[in-house]
Amino acid sequence: DAMVIQNPRYQVTQFGKPVTLSCSQTLNHNVMYWYQQKSSQAPKLLFHYYDKDFNNEADTPDNFQSRRPNTSFCFLDIRSPGLGDAAMYLCATSRDSSGNPYEQYFGPGTRLTVT
Amino acid sequence: AQSVTQPDIHITVSEGASLELRCNYSYGATPYLFWYVQSPGQGLQLLLKYFSGDTLVQGIKGFEAEFKRSQSSFNLRKPSVHWSDAAEYFCAVAFKAAGNKLTFGGGTRVLVKP
Repeated sequence: DAMVIQNPRYQVTQFGKPVTLSCSQTLNHNVMYWYQQKSSQAPKLLFHYYDKDFNNEADTPDNFQSRRPNTSFCFLDIRSPGLGDAAMYLCATSRDSSGNPYEQYFGPGTRLTVT
Repeated sequence: AQSVTQPDIHITVSEGASLELRCNYSYGATPYLFWYVQSPGQGLQLLLKYFSGDTLVQGIKGFEAEFKRSQSSFNLRKPSVHWSDAAEYFCAVAFKAAGNKLTFGGGTRVLVKP
């Protein structure tokens, strides 16, 4: 089945220790998104890639970076995680974001714990 | 800027009873509208969407929603809930002028009583 896969599902990191979260998709979608979702809150968009073009949200901290080496994979790097970065991180994909509307398909998420 | 409001933070419903979740948005243009469901510890699953056409849309798991332009609303309904419907429900809107990025409401947590 075509899908969005996130690894790992659970990640524990230490305060200040860099961490990378992974997302892959078999849908061949050209847009990939990263969201941060804190407990009992709505997902908050951090950034997205339209093909290879990176689009950062204005209020995304510099501590968060992303890479998309090819169509299928996208990574979220947190350079120096703080306690406030503990959250669920959701990856999503869609076929297009600039013209016609398309729904976003979400992965199962990675729950990040910062100790 | 667009915003989405889900007035009910929690709703408790008995199994077999009907369910309605409210969603209102603010923006001048015609929106694209979505309802997603999230089970604990999981990602979001699309229940249904509205882009254009018939304002009553059918989704998966027996859910439907109705777009009412005059009320800027897109309420989600289910005639008879099952215990497996206990989850968090998010309404979301997107606008072409905003690059079709999703704006989510705050979510409504649904609890189902036996």
